[in-house]
Formats: sequence, C-alpha cells, structure tokens
Amino acid sequence: KQEVTQIPAALSVPEGENLVLNCSFTDSAIYNLQWFRQDPGKGLTSLLLIQSSQREQTSGRLNASLDKSSGRSTLYIAASQPGDSATYLCAVKPPGGSEKLVFGKGTKLTVNP
Amino acid sequence: DTGVTQSPTHLIKTRGQQVTLRCSPISGHKSVSWYQQVLGQGPQFIFQYYEKEERGRGNFPDRFSARQFPNYSSELNVNALLLGDSALYLCASSFRTGQIYEQYFGPGTRLTVT
Repeated sequence: KQEVTQIPAALSVPEGENLVLNCSFTDSAIYNLQWFRQDPGKGLTSLLLIQSSQREQTSGRLNASLDKSSGRSTLYIAASQPGDSATYLCAVKPPGGSEKLVFGKGTKLTVNP
Repeated sequence: DTGVTQSPTHLIKTRGQQVTLRCSPISGHKSVSWYQQVLGQGPQFIFQYYEKEERGRGNFPDRFSARQFPNYSSELNVNALLLGDSALYLCASSFRTGQIYEQYFGPGTRLTVT
C-alpha cells in the first residue's frame, strides 16, 4: 500500500529565505508526482507535476525534484514571500487504471514579513 | 477558461440524512474524481469516473455513491450521514496526455454533519 509522508508538518520562516519541503513515498512504482498548494478552507492549486521519467520541474521561484528510486521528492521555494503562506501537499499517482492520487498530510508554511 | 466548479459551497446536515454534491469539470475533461479531506489530513480518494463509467473506488462504505452524466458533470451521494462524514469534499477533473494525468481541483464543498 502506497503511503506518502511530508516533513516537516509545519514550517515558519522570515520573508526572503529559501526553503525546502520534503515528501517521501513507500512504493517507487509511480506514474507521476504532483505538488499542490492549499489555502485555508479552499481547494487545491496544482503547482508542479513531475513524470516518473523526469528528475525535476521548475516554475518561477519553485523547483521540484524527484528521486524515484529512493522514494523522495523535494519542493524548493526561492526568496519566500508572505503570499507563499499556505499548506503544500504532495501526491503520487500509483500504477493502475484509475487516476487515484495518494496524498501526504501536507506541510503548513508560514512566511513572516 | 472556467475551472472546476462545485456546488453547494457549504451545507449543514443532520445525522441520518442524505446529501448530494455536484461537480462540473473543466470543458473538454472527461474524467472526474472525488476526494474527502478531513481537517488536518490530506485528501482521500473516493471515486473516479471516466465517460460515465466507474474507473476507481477508494476505501469508503457503500453509503457513498456517485455517477457521471453525458455532459461529464458528476454527483456524489452520501446516505445515512455520520458525524465523521464532516469534511471538505473535493472534485477534480483531468485530461490525459500520454501517461500524464494532471488533475485540476475545484474549490470544494464543506459538509458539516450535526
């Protein structure tokens, strides 16, 4: 059974700092991995999707890496801003016919001005 | 482009009642998935439908059911509500490109069971 773990559960940093969020998964057989952002009480916004054959993806100040063999992904946020404050969720798509995503519990990020 | 829409935004129900949640996918997306997110947890997969056929089912009791209509919109039904069904219910639609299934989520329906 695929399980996804995100560490730390919460993180508080001063504005301008570079930071790394971690995601690990127990079964390396995945199709892809997605990072999402969730604001309080809201839906999920897709940030980056990494296919199983890729090592990393970049979008603006965000960079996500994938090491499938070790079951790990990191989300790097450069020059953090107060608007980056949110919960960041990692999800993997296991093999199989459905589009089921398996999520971690998320990392709650607070960027202090 | 309009994103995934869900209705209602919030609702309050009493234990034992039944509820129907609705979802409209992004135009051109034929797949809809439903997730339950309890406070402080990650979303848990409930169902996935593709062109009106069930393609996946998570570990939820038979009180949960869903269907997809010819226009690809979807409904999630929950019968005999329990306090533990209180959660944010998220709908996602996707468009497959090769092996990529990128899912786009709606704003969710907040269900409170009292």
